[in-house]
Amino acid sequence: AQTVTQSQPEMSVQEAETVTLSCTYDTSESDYYLFWYKQPPSRQMILVIRQEAYKQQNATENRFSVNFQKAAKSFSLKISDSQLGDAAMYFCAYRGAASKLTFGTGTRLQVTL
Amino acid sequence: NAGVTQTPKFQVLKTGQSMTLQCAQDMNHEYMSWYRQDPGMGLRLIHYSVGAGITDQGEVPNGYNVSRSTTEDFPLRLLSAAPSQTSVYFCASSYSLPGNGYTFGSGTRLTVV
Repeated sequence: AQTVTQSQPEMSVQEAETVTLSCTYDTSESDYYLFWYKQPPSRQMILVIRQEAYKQQNATENRFSVNFQKAAKSFSLKISDSQLGDAAMYFCAYRGAASKLTFGTGTRLQVTL
Repeated sequence: NAGVTQTPKFQVLKTGQSMTLQCAQDMNHEYMSWYRQDPGMGLRLIHYSVGAGITDQGEVPNGYNVSRSTTEDFPLRLLSAAPSQTSVYFCASSYSLPGNGYTFGSGTRLTVV
């Protein structure tokens, strides 16, 4: 079974600074997808970014980018120019051949002035 | 577009009562899932379905039943509510291709007293 580990329960960043959230996973599959979801206080789950395991190029979506290290099974999220609206829980998730989505335990990001 | 609609948004049950959490999607997604979210534990898969008439257990299925008679609907039944089932419940749906992220409903906060 696949597992996803987020070792940072809480992180803090100052507005306009850059922060990196960590995620590692364990799998025996060679083809899979990785996702980062954002959950603001409204509770809604919002897809932030996705990465296909076969693509070497790291995904980027505006201020959000990932550092995908397939051999190390690492998938970190970098948020540049942090904004107050980025404050939320962030979940790393894995989707493989079974197409079930497996989540990590989440990282709560605080953004300070 | 309605997306994934969950009802109710909040519910209080007494121990031993039964209820059904409703979930409907209008995107013709093949895959549907139910998750529960508890503090410090991320989102855990309860049951999932890969199509009408097909369901399977996830990580924490005990105390819950599901059925999928149509593509659109995937209700979750609590047979005899217990305080351990106090949680936030999310329904999610997706196309079958694993590169697609799941779309989530807005969640149901359930309290069992």
